[in-house]
Amino acid sequence: NAGVTQTPKFRILKIGQSMTLQCTQDMNHNYMYWYRQDPGMGLKLIYYSVGAGITDKGEVPNGYNVSRSTTEDFPLRLELAAPSQTSVYFCASSYPLSYEQYFGPGTRLTVT
Amino acid sequence: TQLLEQSPQFLSIQEGENLTVYCNSSSVFSSLQWYRQEPGEGPVLLVTVVTGGEVKKLKRLTFQFGDARKDSSLHITAAQTGDTGLYLCAGRTDYKLSFGAGTTVTVRA
Repeated sequence: NAGVTQTPKFRILKIGQSMTLQCTQDMNHNYMYWYRQDPGMGLKLIYYSVGAGITDKGEVPNGYNVSRSTTEDFPLRLELAAPSQTSVYFCASSYPLSYEQYFGPGTRLTVT
Repeated sequence: TQLLEQSPQFLSIQEGENLTVYCNSSSVFSSLQWYRQEPGEGPVLLVTVVTGGEVKKLKRLTFQFGDARKDSSLHITAAQTGDTGLYLCAGRTDYKLSFGAGTTVTVRA
């Protein structure tokens, strides 16, 4: 099993550009999450999903959108990139009852 | 504002010494998890504690959940250089985890 995979690993965007961060898991987990990690701030929840077709906002959703059309995939969309979105983004998944999260390797995004 | 406060923020010790990391909150959690993260990688789960007062031991690591389920500690005995990393605590409410800011542990050879 590959676990949770994320692409790309690195990306530089100009202000106002758009992009999609990809996340795929092969563990048949119902729950999936997107976090951002800034230095000294831990992980902040952006969006989460408890199953295909169901998504909800986390702590810091502004400037982002998600969709969940399949159990495996949970892409994160940035529509108009801003310097404040410079961060490392992690996708995670978990089983419904254990809530123990498995993380991908992250995407380092720089917006200039 | 962090829901979970971790202390200390940084910890540097010599190999063979012991260390303790603390995770405190004013909120009650259904469970609390500890993760370790190495540079350039995602966090990896170390343990989940569920019951107030619970103590779990994993080799040289001892985890404790407070009686009121608001705080936790991680104790490492005889630290090794392989214990170096960012330690994150995370409290669960409903479907979601709230993470602390982390403690960066450096174990010097």
